[in-house]
Amino acid sequence: QVTLKESGPVLVKPTETLTLTCTVSGFSLSNGRMGVSWIRQPPGKALEWLAHIFSNDEESYTTSLKSRLTISKDTPKSQVVLIMTNMDPVDTATYYCARALKPDWFDPWGQGTLVTVSS
Amino acid sequence: SYELTQPLSVSVALGQTARITCGGNNIGSKNVHWYQQKPGQAPVLVIYRDSDRPSGIPERFSGSNSGNTATLTISRAQAGDEADYYCQVWDSSTVVFGEGTKLTVL
Repeated sequence: QVTLKESGPVLVKPTETLTLTCTVSGFSLSNGRMGVSWIRQPPGKALEWLAHIFSNDEESYTTSLKSRLTISKDTPKSQVVLIMTNMDPVDTATYYCARALKPDWFDPWGQGTLVTVSS
Repeated sequence: SYELTQPLSVSVALGQTARITCGGNNIGSKNVHWYQQKPGQAPVLVIYRDSDRPSGIPERFSGSNSGNTATLTISRAQAGDEADYYCQVWDSSTVVFGEGTKLTVL
């Protein structure tokens, strides 16, 4: 069974750096057909894709947040990490990680983790 | 950057057919995927590669894609189909989601 689980702080202060970890099971991050994305969703709003790491370690970022994001993976630990700098209250959202095949569609998704940015 | 356009809301009578569109420039040349999201839950894949259904998704869910419009069709709509639906594509190694459509079953 393939699962992904997000972990990280539930509350961060403005200007701080957010570090989120996605721990996967049921597949290997070294599999040539697998990659992992981070996607977020502010309360009551739409899904927003943030970043993706491919099986060959190549990275891709959304243009609007590229300067603030870093995605990486630790294959032996089966973890994908997202770092977002200079957090702001508008970054308050549920953050999801999801597996992408090929890359193409996302399945499955993690349960998500709500991150609130407030002083 | 590539954009996907979805209607904000769609209503359907119980047992009837709902169609949710996803518009994009020459979207017919891309693979379109659809997700269902119920309140408080993570999105779930319901259609991939335009018209394929993952295991466990009812046959009532189908998809098509041509020209500038992709469509998710839900036949014999049930109360349990009420949810937000998002379309998604890849464009130049980046991911694009539509703004989402809230489906109401009357």
